[in-house]
Amino acid sequence: DVKVTQSSRYLVKRTGEKVFLECVQDMDHENMFWYRQDPGLGLRLIYFSYDVKMKEKGDIPEGYSVSREKKERFSLILESASTNQTSMYLCASSLYPLAGGTLGTQYFGPGTRLTVL
Amino acid sequence: TQLLEQSPQFLSIQEGENLTVYCNSSSVFSSLQWYRQEPGEGPVLLVTVVTGGEVKKLKRLTFQFGDARKDSSLHITAAQPGDTGLYLCAGLHSTGANSKLTFGKGITLSVRP
Repeated sequence: DVKVTQSSRYLVKRTGEKVFLECVQDMDHENMFWYRQDPGLGLRLIYFSYDVKMKEKGDIPEGYSVSREKKERFSLILESASTNQTSMYLCASSLYPLAGGTLGTQYFGPGTRLTVL
Repeated sequence: TQLLEQSPQFLSIQEGENLTVYCNSSSVFSSLQWYRQEPGEGPVLLVTVVTGGEVKKLKRLTFQFGDARKDSSLHITAAQPGDTGLYLCAGLHSTGANSKLTFGKGITLSVRP
């Protein structure tokens, strides 16, 4: 059974703190994604990665960075958390990259609900 | 910008009713997916459609991709409370090496027993 796990389901941080959100997948997928989900705005892509140590900006990368040191792990970093980063963060992995025109299944984790006070 | 408009935004129906919801765009997509997300969980893929006019069935759910590959519909027959959730469509706009995946804002469906 495929699995994507996220380090925390709920997280409360203070403005200015450095925040790490961890995501691990056990499907040996090369492609991993970080989204944020907000009411009325849907899912928006923050960053994605096609391979270890590779990263690409999504639609809203400002205020975020990522790290992919191992194939199974993709971390989202908020260098200095702000209140407008309060959101649900979803990690996903996929067998297929977006490039090439093949839309494969994205397997999502359960999400981390981050509140920045 | 490839926008996906989903409608209606909210839908509350009685168990046993039929419903159709929509995912529309002015852009052509190479493929389109529907996901369902339950509260407290991540989205789960229901279907991928690739060919214009394609129809796929998943038990009581029928998905159709528009002939021009700009829109899609999801029809649920005899809705059950277990169908309750957020339905998201996602379209892939691909131009060779550059591809962009766009999610709609979702349709919140509530099926009352």
